[in-house]
Amino acid sequence: DTEVTQTPKHLVMGMTNKKSLKCEQHMGHRAMYWYKQKAKKPPELMFVYSYEKLSINESVPSRFSPECPNSSLLNLHLHALQPEDSALYLCASSQDQGRETQYFGPGTRLLVL
Amino acid sequence: QKEVEQDPGPLSVPEGAIVSLNCTYSNSAFQYFMWYRQYSRKGPELLMYTYSSGNKEDGRFTAQVDKSSKYISLFIRDSQPSDSATYLCAMSAHTGTASKLTFGTGTRLQVTL
Repeated sequence: DTEVTQTPKHLVMGMTNKKSLKCEQHMGHRAMYWYKQKAKKPPELMFVYSYEKLSINESVPSRFSPECPNSSLLNLHLHALQPEDSALYLCASSQDQGRETQYFGPGTRLLVL
Repeated sequence: QKEVEQDPGPLSVPEGAIVSLNCTYSNSAFQYFMWYRQYSRKGPELLMYTYSSGNKEDGRFTAQVDKSSKYISLFIRDSQPSDSATYLCAMSAHTGTASKLTFGTGTRLQVTL
């Protein structure tokens, strides 16, 4: 099973709202990733967790706050977003950060009004 | 110059055609090469990955890597309308905890009846 699940599938939020995106994998992978993808662009890396510790933060604004409660779960907390943050947010996982075969979830389509 | 170059297309072919998708790269440290397929509004799906120069075949798909020319290809035989999607090449250098994927911009493929 190479499945990464993400909830919700769609999210509409105002600029003053607080919401969270959730990601889960049961493949025993120890590295998990958040990406942002705009239309007709490739995914852009935001954060990497390796063995439940934040390994890479690609200078993402603080209105995005990642959390890794355990090795199977990854959250992305959203607060005070801007309309330009509207995008497809993708979660991925890999066996560990040294193994580059990443498996992606279906994504959460976020619209910020 | 981008580290990974990929023609964005769109590429339109008739059903049954052989499709050739290509990426070039400039970073000689890249060692791992992947192809992802992404349907509209969905997450990327891993199609092929390879760590060495040469060919790797999986059903109708063949991945080819030429490290000396810094060139990778994905061939699709007997293309089907269901192959219509955006194809992303991705690659990385094995640098341990700092390793991450570098994507091409994606090629949009349309297979027509």
